Amino acid sequence: NAGVTQTPKFQVLKTGQSMTLQCAQDMNHEYMSWYRQDPGMGLRLIHYSVGAGITDQGEVPNGYNVSRSTTEDFPLRLLSAAPSQTSVYFCASSYSRGWNTEAFFGQGTRLTVV
Amino acid sequence: GNSVTQMEGPVTLSEEAFLTINCTYTATGYPSLFWYVQYPGEGLQLLLKATKADDKGSNKGFEATYRKETTSFHLEKGSVQVSDSAVYFCALITGANSKLTFGKGITLSVRP
Repeated sequence: NAGVTQTPKFQVLKTGQSMTLQCAQDMNHEYMSWYRQDPGMGLRLIHYSVGAGITDQGEVPNGYNVSRSTTEDFPLRLLSAAPSQTSVYFCASSYSRGWNTEAFFGQGTRLTVV
Repeated sequence: GNSVTQMEGPVTLSEEAFLTINCTYTATGYPSLFWYVQYPGEGLQLLLKATKADDKGSNKGFEATYRKETTSFHLEKGSVQVSDSAVYFCALITGANSKLTFGKGITLSVRP
C-alpha cells in the first residue's frame, strides 16, 4: 500500500515555464487536496476535490489548475511559473466516515522558480 | 470560517524537559482536531487526533485533550527527546468535504 505518491520530489523551473505536479493515492479516498508550505505561513490550501469530476478553489488558487478525472489522481498544473510560486507543495488524500476522519500526505515537491 | 491559532515559535528545550504547545481554534460546526508532525525533509505525519469533546489523543508519549469549552487542543509531552525535533501543526476538519485547516506550525528543537 503506497499511500499518497507525489512526483517529482524536486524541480527547478524558469519563469514562464509550465509543469504538472503529479499526485496519486491508492486508498480509494474521495477527498484530495493540494497545499503549499511557505516559511511562517503554515500550509495553505490551493485546490481540493471531493470526488472524481469535482474540484474547487482553496485559499490561494491563482496561477494553478487542477482536474480530477479519476479517484486516484489529482494533478496540479502551474500554467506560467512565477518566482512567488517557489514553495514546497503537498498533496493529501482523506476520508470521512462519520466522526472518523484522517488525512494522509505525500512526501512533498520542492519547487524553485528562477 | 475556520481558523487555528498556534503559539509563536520556535521553541528550544533541553532533553527530558516538559513540552506544551498551545493550540486554539474557531470553527463552524463540530470539528475533529489533529496534530501533525513534520520531521526535517519529510512530509506530514499524523501524530494524534480527537474527534469529540473530552477525547484525549495520544501517541509516542504525546497527548492532547479536546476541550470544547475553551476551544483548545494543546499538545503535551512529559519528557522530550532529541528525536522529537520537528515542526508541529495543529489542524481541524469540519463538515463533509474533509478540508483541513492548519495552524502556522511551530518548530521544536531539543538539545542533548
